[in-house]
Order: sequence, then C-alpha cells, then structure tokens
Amino acid sequence: DAGITQSPRHKVTETGTPVTLRCHQTENHRYMYWYRQDPGHGLRLIHYSYGVKDTDKGEVSDGYSVSRSKTEDFLLTLESATSSQTSVYFCAISESRVGGPKHTGELFFGEGSRLTVL
Amino acid sequence: GENVEQHPSTLSVQEGDSAVIKCTYSDSASNYFPWYKQELGKGPQLIIDIRSNVGEKKDQRIAVTLNKTAKHFSLHITETQPEDSAVYFCAASNGNQFYFGTGTSLTVIP
Repeated sequence: DAGITQSPRHKVTETGTPVTLRCHQTENHRYMYWYRQDPGHGLRLIHYSYGVKDTDKGEVSDGYSVSRSKTEDFLLTLESATSSQTSVYFCAISESRVGGPKHTGELFFGEGSRLTVL
Repeated sequence: GENVEQHPSTLSVQEGDSAVIKCTYSDSASNYFPWYKQELGKGPQLIIDIRSNVGEKKDQRIAVTLNKTAKHFSLHITETQPEDSAVYFCAASNGNQFYFGTGTSLTVIP
C-alpha cells in the first residue's frame, strides 16, 4: 500500500465550526489531491497541489481551502462547515501529472476521512 | 467540462459469470481512461487503464474496451469470484484532472 495517512478518519462537528483534514504521504510524490465522495456523484475533485505552495482549484472548491507547506503534507480546511459538506473525503497522490503523457496511471488513494456536519 | 456517465449503478452476477460495466464521456479531448475498484471502507485502487490510441486491453480476467468514435468504454470481468464484489468507478482524463463516473456496486453471488 502507498504510504498515505489521512487524519482524522472520522469527525463529527457542528455547522459553522472550522475543520481541517490532513493528508500525509511518505512517497515523496509531487502531486496531491483532495476528493469528496457522495452517493450519486462519484468522486469530485476539490483542490490539488503540484508542489510545495503550488495549489489549484478543482470542480467543487467553493467553501474549501488548502495548504501545502511541505512535500509530505496537504491540508484541507473548511473555514465554516455546512451540512452540505458532510461527505467522505479522500486524499490521493501521484508521481506525475494526472493524465499527462508520462503519467503511469497510478493515483494512490488514502483510506478516507468521514466528516459529518450537524 | 467533462461529463462521465456510468451504468448500471448496481449489478449482481452468479459466481463464474461475466460482468460488464459501461461508461460514456463527453469531451473528445479525453485521452486516458482508468478503472478503479473500491472495497468497503477503503480508498479506490486502480485495476486497469487504457489510453485513446488503444482499443482494448486485457489483464488476466479483466479487460477494458474503448470506442473513441462513440465516446464509450467498458470494463469486462470474466469468471467472476466473490472477491470481485466491490464498487467500480470509471474515469476520464483530458490531461488536467480525472472525472469520475458515479460508480457500480458489483455483487458476486457464490
């Protein structure tokens, strides 16, 4: 298994509170991603990072921010959690750019963080 | 952006039978199509992928076919086994990011 650790694995919080999810990798991969998984929607990209301090938005980035101060850590922050952000969040890593000409295809996923916003 | 549709959402087969899952995509620029398997409580894992310059790819009991003209691709699992039971996701990439289908829950009945 790829060395990806997500924390916390489970969290229950109240509407309006800030939440930070952490993704830690030991693979030294350049690319890191945050997805959310919801029934009927599959996996949707929130934000991704292509290097330290280099990040970009995905298709569902509203209400989320990210930071990457070290190669191994990628943080996802919900500044003020809402019930619509109840979901399972997956971190993923890749050695090369997703879908790029040299990309081998391996997008390694963590085990997920289940967030419930009451 | 890209839109990936996946069917069926649930699929039950008898052990030893074949299973087929189909996906369509909308962006003709998409050129990479992976399939992921997700077991309960775990993250998705890549099981097979195909690029747009290839029509078919096999890996033991698993095969993927791609029809670029019709913009659809399919996953074929032969001689299914109980351990094949999981949720399967297709995805399409245009070189920037993945767009995932909504998933197929496959149950293999012993």
